[in-house]
Amino acid sequence: AQSVTQLDSQVPVFEEAPVELRCNYSSSVSVYLFWYVQYPNQGLQLLLKYLSGSTLVKGINGFEAEFNKSQTSFHLRKPSVHISDTAEYFCAVSESGGYQKVTFGTGTKLQVIP
Amino acid sequence: DAGVIQSPRHEVTEMGQEVTLRCKPISGHNSLFWYRQTMMRGLELLIYFNNNVPIDDSGMPEDRFSAKMPNASFSTLKIQPSEPRDSAVYFCASSTQGVGQPQHFGDGTRLSIL
Repeated sequence: AQSVTQLDSQVPVFEEAPVELRCNYSSSVSVYLFWYVQYPNQGLQLLLKYLSGSTLVKGINGFEAEFNKSQTSFHLRKPSVHISDTAEYFCAVSESGGYQKVTFGTGTKLQVIP
Repeated sequence: DAGVIQSPRHEVTEMGQEVTLRCKPISGHNSLFWYRQTMMRGLELLIYFNNNVPIDDSGMPEDRFSAKMPNASFSTLKIQPSEPRDSAVYFCASSTQGVGQPQHFGDGTRLSIL
């Protein structure tokens, strides 16, 4: 079975500064990887996903993530954050191929400081 | 376009009562998911439907929980009898892909069992 670890429960960052939210996964087979964002009192939104191909994945709102198979990581980055990026971010993983349950991490709260 | 619509947004009821949560997925989406989110356990998949058929119900906690999808535009999650430990935010999500990845979440139902 696969698992995902988000080591940072909270990340404070000043507005217009870059940010990296870390995600590591564990799986014995090929995986699909995802990042979701949850704004207060709302459901999750899919930011980006890696299924195959290029290891650098670009998503919505200026976010991108890089799949690193040797490091079993899928860190999320943004070069310059805005106040509106304040939210909780969830990394998720599933085994590739057919129907596979998606396992979510525990989330990282990004707090953008004016 | 309308997103995933859940009702009610909030529900407060006494232990032992029947609770019914409702979900209308995005039109044209053939996959539907019910998730539960708590501080202690994070985001857990309860059940996954594809083309109105339950594919994975391994996350349904016990017989007190049941879910139905009578047609492509409506699903219910029922808890009978409810218990205080069922208090959580319940999310419905839908997707165009039948591979277990939720794309669009509703805003959730915050359930409190007294």
